[in-house]
Amino acid sequence: AQSVAQPEDQVNVAEGNPLTVKCTYSVSGNPYLFWYVQYPNRGLQFLLKYITGDNLVKGSYGFEAEFNKSQTSFHLKKPSALVSDSALYFCAVRDSKAAGNKLTFGGGTRVLVKP
Amino acid sequence: NAGVTQTPKFRILKIGQSMTLQCTQDMNHNYMYWYRQDPGMGLKLIYYSVGAGITDKGEVPNGYNVSRSTTEDFPLRLELAAPSQTSVYFCASLRRTNANTGELFFGEGSRLTVL
Repeated sequence: AQSVAQPEDQVNVAEGNPLTVKCTYSVSGNPYLFWYVQYPNRGLQFLLKYITGDNLVKGSYGFEAEFNKSQTSFHLKKPSALVSDSALYFCAVRDSKAAGNKLTFGGGTRVLVKP
Repeated sequence: NAGVTQTPKFRILKIGQSMTLQCTQDMNHNYMYWYRQDPGMGLKLIYYSVGAGITDKGEVPNGYNVSRSTTEDFPLRLELAAPSQTSVYFCASLRRTNANTGELFFGEGSRLTVL
């Protein structure tokens, strides 16, 4: 079975400050990890992924995420947050052994960046 | 490219009514998925399809049905609507060659209310 947890319902940060959104996962095989962002009344948009290789992955809009196998985490980060980064962020995982390429999503973390 | 198109965007149903949510993609993607999004619960997989003529259940299939007669279309049928089916529904697709990346392309969602 595969699962993912996002422990924070909401993260508040001032514009220009670093932003971190936490994610932990559980899989029986190797994890494929993803971050998606959802703006109001829109579908989810892909931000970045970790499949294999370098533990630090870079994605769209200046976001990056660090894969930590020992802590089973995949936290999303941005060095300097913008007001336009305010949105709902989802972490997702797929077990390398899972059929059908099915992703399991976390409950989402709402990010509010204040001017 | 239109990507993934869902219709309708909004619908109100009475208890016991039936309806079909339409989903079409023009990217020639093999895999298609239906998710529902409930507040604080993330996305739950309802049904998925790995190609025309092949469908399978996800985590929460009860009360729903799907078909996949063509690569482009993946309609979701609600029979005997219940208040518990009030949700936002997202259709997504994935191309086989990107199978390991899990980079889903989402539609903009269909908001369904059952009263």
